[in-house]
Amino acid sequence: QVQLVQSGTEVKRPGASVKVSCRASGYTFNDYGISWVRQAPGQGLEWMGWISGYNGQTNYAQRLQGRVTMTIDTSTRTAYMELRRLTSDDTAVYYCARGPLSGLDVFHFWGQGTMVTVSS
Amino acid sequence: DIQMTQSPSTLSASVGDRVTITCRASQNVNNWLAWYQQKPGKAPKLMIYKTSTLESGVPSRFSGSGSGTEFTLTISSLQPDDFATYYCQQYNSYWTFGQGTRVEVK
Repeated sequence: QVQLVQSGTEVKRPGASVKVSCRASGYTFNDYGISWVRQAPGQGLEWMGWISGYNGQTNYAQRLQGRVTMTIDTSTRTAYMELRRLTSDDTAVYYCARGPLSGLDVFHFWGQGTMVTVSS
Repeated sequence: DIQMTQSPSTLSASVGDRVTITCRASQNVNNWLAWYQQKPGKAPKLMIYKTSTLESGVPSRFSGSGSGTEFTLTISSLQPDDFATYYCQQYNSYWTFGQGTRVEVK
């Protein structure tokens, strides 16, 4: 069965960086992409960006351009999301979700979420 | 960017009620519209995609309709397990979520 398992809770200081991982199993990693979605406490869902599981091509949400980097390691079937220059507004649960390699599709499978707290 | 607007933000209902949530897109999304259910502390769960296609395992009391820029999610007879927050999502151009509709006990 498809599973996405994320890394654990993080606590960071303002200005620091965080890197969250998402390990995939149960499907052919190269045949799909991974999207990252975050949710601030009590708020809605925000799509952050997408990375191809085939060649690492990325597409980031405009408001995060320059601060976010998504990468993959196909040997370990793991996707990574790094967010830099953290502020308190980045405090959120970060989810990875399996998305399409190309074309139009939704997120059928999600990770369990990683809580990132930014606090001085 | 395509903006998604849901209404209402909160809906109070009782078990057995028929519930309807509306989602409007800022431009035509060509029926590439999905609905997710989220419960506290859990990841979102896909319920409906391509406007009206039920995800495997989703009860038939859930249905979706609409076209172009206006879409609805209907729960024909609300069950205790359905109290949750629902999000619409367009995937015609990357992905954008609505702000969510919380279905609470009346």
